[in-house]
Amino acid sequence: GAVVSQHPSWVICKSGTSVKIECRSLDFQATTMFWYRQFPKQSLMLMATSNEGSKATYEQGVEKDKFLINHASLTLSTLTVTSAHPEDSSFYICSARSTGKGNNEQFFGPGTRLTVL
Amino acid sequence: LAKITQPISMDSYEGQEVNITCSHNNIATNDYITWYQQFPSQGPRFIIQGYKTKVTNEVASLFIPADRKSSTLSLPRVSLSDTAVYYCLVGDHTGGFKTIFGAGTRLFVKA
Repeated sequence: GAVVSQHPSWVICKSGTSVKIECRSLDFQATTMFWYRQFPKQSLMLMATSNEGSKATYEQGVEKDKFLINHASLTLSTLTVTSAHPEDSSFYICSARSTGKGNNEQFFGPGTRLTVL
Repeated sequence: LAKITQPISMDSYEGQEVNITCSHNNIATNDYITWYQQFPSQGPRFIIQGYKTKVTNEVASLFIPADRKSSTLSLPRVSLSDTAVYYCLVGDHTGGFKTIFGAGTRLFVKA
């Protein structure tokens, strides 16, 4: 099946720094990628929809200037958490939709654990 | 978007069949029903997807009645490794589809 990778798998940073998380579709092209955030014992919360070559669409309540999304190619989307603070500590998960498959199935990455000190 | 209702948690024993029912009363004509499984600190994993009647694959079956207002994920002969959170999602798979996760069902399989 299709594989989505994320890098890094975990990161610890100091408050006020920026962190970039990469999401790659390894064996398929994805015109659309999604970014989610998940806090402990909670469900995934959709943050934004990333479309290749265009601006991301953010969900209500998600600050676009704080969570910068770049979808520069059909296999790569990046999420940059700018000026991170402890409350941004969370599990960030991306997914990619394969437009080449019949049912537009979404494939999820393994997630990135961000801890802000 | 369809409103999703599924049990918060379920317990089972190894070897039993587990059925998790999801309610989606206002499902739209173009909507598909998809189930995902998630283990702690991992991304969700696709289990099964269907539109109507019954779908079966190597890991599960999905039963969808004619009115499509609910669906049931059936896991045959669960094992301890099936302990996870199971999410029922409903969405239009044409352009603009985005996946919104509900609360999910936490399944705990006991020995």
